[in-house]
Amino acid sequence: QVQLQESGPGLVKPSETLSLTCTVSGDSITFYYWSWIRQPPGKGLEWIGYVYSSGSTNFNPSLKSRVTISVDTSKTQFSLKLSSVTAADTATYYCARLAFGKMDVWGKGTTVTVSS
Amino acid sequence: QSVLTQPPSLSAAPGQKVAISCSGSSSNIGSNFVSWYQQLPGTAPNLLIYDNNKRPSGIPDRISGSKSGTSATLGITGLQTGDEADYYCGTWDSSLSAWVFGGGTKLTVL
Repeated sequence: QVQLQESGPGLVKPSETLSLTCTVSGDSITFYYWSWIRQPPGKGLEWIGYVYSSGSTNFNPSLKSRVTISVDTSKTQFSLKLSSVTAADTATYYCARLAFGKMDVWGKGTTVTVSS
Repeated sequence: QSVLTQPPSLSAAPGQKVAISCSGSSSNIGSNFVSWYQQLPGTAPNLLIYDNNKRPSGIPDRISGSKSGTSATLGITGLQTGDEADYYCGTWDSSLSAWVFGGGTKLTVL
């Protein structure tokens, strides 16, 4: 059964770059889209973007200028980088598999706080 | 403001049924499949319905989904206290070229 696990720093300083990794286990990373979603405290879900196993990407227009998502198939990992962070980027960040129009597998989430 | 519109909250008594609506437009719900997610307190979202009305294995048949035009509905019958959660609809928006979620509905079973 496929499982996803997010990892990365829980605290990032304002203006710096947030970096997270999602490790995929139990299945191949190929032939799927892999997404990042975030949820600010007490608020709803916001899609950040996805990467296909080939490396092609698509991003939320509101975040596009600050987001990079990449995949490393040899390590069965994909990663998120969000630059120039502010307090508004404080959230729980989830990775998820986007398969045939549905997000069918989610990681447990990791909380990132932006603060000096 | 979310592209997909859901009621912020709903409540119903145990054993009753509830319908959670998700309203969109021709570029999202009107032309793409809708999925629904349940988020129990303090946990990650979990897929409840996909392709408008299909249930993943393990989801009971008292959970149902439907779509008509640019709106979708999640139905839950025989409500249990364990159904208290936030529920989100989601779909692809062909105009934005982006995945979009509804703002979420907090369901209270009391």
